Amino acid sequence: GAGVSQSPRYKVAKRGQDVALRCDPISGHVSLFWYQQALGQGPEFLTYFQNEAQLDKSGLPSDRFFAERPEGSVSTLKIQRTQQEDSAVYLCASSRRLGSHEQYFGPGTRLTVT
Amino acid sequence: SQQGEEDPQALSIQEGENATMNCSYKTSINNLQWYRQNSGRGLVHLILIRSNEREKHSGRLRVTLDTSKKSSSLLITASRAADTASYFCASRSTLGRLYFGRGTQLTVWP
Repeated sequence: GAGVSQSPRYKVAKRGQDVALRCDPISGHVSLFWYQQALGQGPEFLTYFQNEAQLDKSGLPSDRFFAERPEGSVSTLKIQRTQQEDSAVYLCASSRRLGSHEQYFGPGTRLTVT
Repeated sequence: SQQGEEDPQALSIQEGENATMNCSYKTSINNLQWYRQNSGRGLVHLILIRSNEREKHSGRLRVTLDTSKKSSSLLITASRAADTASYFCASRSTLGRLYFGRGTQLTVWP
């Protein structure tokens, strides 16, 4: 595809609801990253995949957060029992391979938990 | 946690002026990258400078790196209204995760 796409672009959830955020990386890109960006802050790393393998999930803030990339392309970030502090923009990025320096970011999903 | 800090947090200038943003980081790096983020959009990679480089140019962008002070600066010359955005520096771990600073919000007035 032309770039990284994410859906939905905006999501409003009531506290306690589960949400699923989707990322379509650039075709053929091996590495996929999820970041969380709170208002007025820089992005913070959540998790990283190389193909379908989740190599680093040290940034996930709690066990309510779960990410998967079962076929090594599309990835889903799931947040269970959402809390107000989960409100943020969730950014997905992909890169060609493990050693690539440049990451290509999607437009993000803005999650608001009310 | 944020690994870097940009300053200033906000910068407001007129078109045609130069904009300088600074970044300090905490750990050893192989390279430092700068990204731009327009309001409501994803980040776009601008430029990368390696740890053995001191200065790098790309169009109207000039980046410097001082590894002894763990700092970098981004200079945008002859700024345009379209340069209005947030600018972030980022260091990269071995596995590829990026550590971003808090960013500088640049506003360029026509």
